[in-house]
Amino acid sequence: DIQMTQSPSSLSASVGDRVTITCRASQGISNWLAWYQQKPEKAPKSLIYGASNLQSGVPSRFSGSGSGTDFTLTISSLQPEDAATYYCQHYNSYPITFGQGTRLEIK
Amino acid sequence: QVQLVESGGGVVQPGRSLRLSCAASGLTLSTSIMHWVRQTPGKGLEWLAVISLDGNSQTYTDSVKGRFTISRDISTNTLSLQMNSLTAEDTAVYYCARESGSSGRAGWFDPWGQGTLVTVSS
Repeated sequence: DIQMTQSPSSLSASVGDRVTITCRASQGISNWLAWYQQKPEKAPKSLIYGASNLQSGVPSRFSGSGSGTDFTLTISSLQPEDAATYYCQHYNSYPITFGQGTRLEIK
Repeated sequence: QVQLVESGGGVVQPGRSLRLSCAASGLTLSTSIMHWVRQTPGKGLEWLAVISLDGNSQTYTDSVKGRFTISRDISTNTLSLQMNSLTAEDTAVYYCARESGSSGRAGWFDPWGQGTLVTVSS
């Protein structure tokens, strides 16, 4: 199985900050990577697919990059509503696996 | 608007069975690849199962293979997850999700249902 490792596990940042979350795959997955945002008591919401493609309706301050084994999710200017937990997910093959999540707190 | 609504969760004793349902609206299951994913505080998000576009193929993660069965009813546009031989490790929030895009081998999910909580406890 492909293991997905996110870092950091949690972070705290201020409104307006640039925030970067990293996801590493245990083997190459090309660009078959998605990012999700999850708020408390809610289902995950898709943000990015294909490592860098923004899902429709997602604010342009979110962006994704990477290929192979190393990927990043960047929020260019943090907003209060971005407080959430973020997950990466590979879809290179079955079984699909997720990162353990990064909890983002607003200072 | 595409909407998925899970139901059937609850408290069940170890060793017993439970059937979850996912009612779809705004999409047709006969033209969708559908998945079940669960979430626990300890293990995070865990993909469980997928049913193919034609409904004739199912793939499972090892931890539920032989115990869980994914199926769909085209007439009611409902996805199901039959869960047998439940253990405490199956305690989780269970989500159904539509595959929105694919690598040709597996896919990513949008939308997700709101989830239904399953608690396995005596």
